Amino acid sequence: EVQLVQSEAELKKPGESLKISCEGSGYTFTSYWIGWVRQMPGKGLEWMGIIYPSDSDARYSPSFQGQVTISADKSISTAYLQWSSLKASDTAMYYCARQNNGYDSPFDAWGQGTLVTVSS
Amino acid sequence: DIVMTQSPDSLAVSLGERATINCKSSQSVLYSSYNKNSIAWYQQKPGQPPKLLIYWASTRESGVPDRFSGSGSGTDFTLTISSLQAEDVAVYYCQQYYYIPETFGQGTKVEIK
Repeated sequence: EVQLVQSEAELKKPGESLKISCEGSGYTFTSYWIGWVRQMPGKGLEWMGIIYPSDSDARYSPSFQGQVTISADKSISTAYLQWSSLKASDTAMYYCARQNNGYDSPFDAWGQGTLVTVSS
Repeated sequence: DIVMTQSPDSLAVSLGERATINCKSSQSVLYSSYNKNSIAWYQQKPGQPPKLLIYWASTRESGVPDRFSGSGSGTDFTLTISSLQAEDVAVYYCQQYYYIPETFGQGTKVEIK
């Protein structure tokens, strides 16, 4: 069974750094792109970017380029989303998801989500 | 970026009746090599991650009930729930996966009338 398990909820202060994780299992982690999707409270889904764990090729939405960094460690089947300096506006649920056949394909498996709260 | 516009923003349908959600893309998302449209539909229930229902505009994901169907071409696409069940109450999103960023529609909330 394909599973994506995300790290636990985080409560951080503005200006702090953060790295959240997404561990894949039940499939060959290096053969599928992994994406990150933001959902702000009460709002819709926003595509942030994707990474191919085999070679760490990453693509970003212009809206998120420079604001976050997407990375992966194929040795432990884990993808990451990180911030160097959080803002209150980064408060949201973040989902990782697997693309089922190349980067131009839908997300067929999703993590449970990581809630990030940024508040002073 | 390609803009995906869904309509309506919300709808209330009686149990057993048809629900129709529309999605319009600002550009064609036709994958010419496959002659298929790069459109997916997702269902999100409260407190849960999204779930893939339909891809290539009309291909049902494995395990998805056949009351869900997708159609459309060019820039106009539709998700239809042929006979609404109580468990279908959710927000539905379309997505284009042809261009990066692979944008989502704003969502349509489906409720029981």
